[in-house]
Amino acid sequence: SAVISQKPSRDICQRGTSLTIQCQVDSQVTMMFWYRQQPGQSLTLIATANQGSEATYESGFVIDKFPISRPNLTFSTLTVSNMSPEDSSIYLCSVGQGAHGAFFGQGTRLTVV
Amino acid sequence: AQSVTQLDSQVPVFEEAPVELRCNYSSSVSVYLFWYVQYPNQGLQLLLKYLSGSTLVKGINGFEAEFNKSQTSFHLRKPSVHISDTAEYFCAVVNTGFQKLVFGTGTRLLVSP
Repeated sequence: SAVISQKPSRDICQRGTSLTIQCQVDSQVTMMFWYRQQPGQSLTLIATANQGSEATYESGFVIDKFPISRPNLTFSTLTVSNMSPEDSSIYLCSVGQGAHGAFFGQGTRLTVV
Repeated sequence: AQSVTQLDSQVPVFEEAPVELRCNYSSSVSVYLFWYVQYPNQGLQLLLKYLSGSTLVKGINGFEAEFNKSQTSFHLRKPSVHISDTAEYFCAVVNTGFQKLVFGTGTRLLVSP
């Protein structure tokens, strides 16, 4: 298992601004994943962050809107840029896939006003 | 590609009653199956997983699930629920080769006294 610390845990932001979410893992991992959970909905994968290369974005998500950094094997950030109320969601960082399943941070609850 | 269907968006149940949360999946290849729980204002926690072998798997907090390949189902059960089991439950599937989790839309379990 892995322990994942994510911050901030929640924030209320003005539209047009940006928010950077941090994710720290207690062990070195190759891939980190960022998910969005819109109100009352399931998790949608935004992108996969690999250390030393650009993140891989899923369909419907672009780097200009959700830039990701992965400076080392235990840390990643996700920025939500030029926010609008439609960006109000829970953003989750996770590690692990495949047979081990995924481990999640506690999430960042973002409200854009 | 894989997909997951959780037919019940919400399941109300009385304390100490049994419960079953349904999950059906679709895939043309072998998969791993998971159940996650999300308590209010928290991230997701792995409840149990099916990789291979015995079709009945036991997880944390008294939950168990049965894999049925012919019905492509992985229903979650608990013989006697507690108030503290009130949470959102997500079924997830991953292709054994592709490594990306696909989540269902979730089932909200509401346990009342």
